[in-house]
Amino acid sequence: ETGVTQTPRHLVMGMTNKKSLKCEQHLGHNAMYWYKQSAKKPLELMFVYNFKEQTENNSVPSRFSPECPNSSHLFLHLHTLQPEDSALYLCASSQETTGVAKNIQYFGAGTRLSVL
Amino acid sequence: GENVEQHPSTLSVQEGDSAVIKCTYSDSASNYFPWYKQELGKRPQLIIDIRSNVGEKKDQRIAVTLNKTAKHFSLHITETQPEDSAVYFCAARRTGANNLFFGTGTRLTVIP
Repeated sequence: ETGVTQTPRHLVMGMTNKKSLKCEQHLGHNAMYWYKQSAKKPLELMFVYNFKEQTENNSVPSRFSPECPNSSHLFLHLHTLQPEDSALYLCASSQETTGVAKNIQYFGAGTRLSVL
Repeated sequence: GENVEQHPSTLSVQEGDSAVIKCTYSDSASNYFPWYKQELGKRPQLIIDIRSNVGEKKDQRIAVTLNKTAKHFSLHITETQPEDSAVYFCAARRTGANNLFFGTGTRLTVIP
């Protein structure tokens, strides 16, 4: 285990449902990330939080809404998703240090999401 | 922004042979290059990384080389074993940025 826990591991939802993904890190890190992993595509960065503040939103549709109540927890709220949103959603965390390029990201096991 | 390309997309080797995976990047300001291994149904895990101030780094059977002038870096696995079978991702990042830009992955199969 890397200290990054994601729940649930699997989620099936209809297009009109509202659900949330949860990520928790026990590594004392100050940055957290949401990635989307689809078949035959690169890992796509969705959101970045540094010290609970969102610093990146890579043109993600508004049906995905992140929330970072503290530096250890990260949520991804989902509503009115589309079938093409079916993917593995990965959370990661890192310890960001100013001026240092090497800040290793540790990944959770992911939530496999299926939108029907 | 950064664009990372990775080749090949699939690679099969006989056990004991070597495997090489290559990546190119576009942003000359990128200076950190990690490699992640993702086994089936599991999370990506860092296996080796390199910073731009060195040209090569080795850790047992795994090595990474970096050519900053040509903007490409490679992962070398020697004496491959069945447990090396996985998807391998390269990535690039610039100083001061959180973002890791990933390649599309290489599915490595080691045939016993």
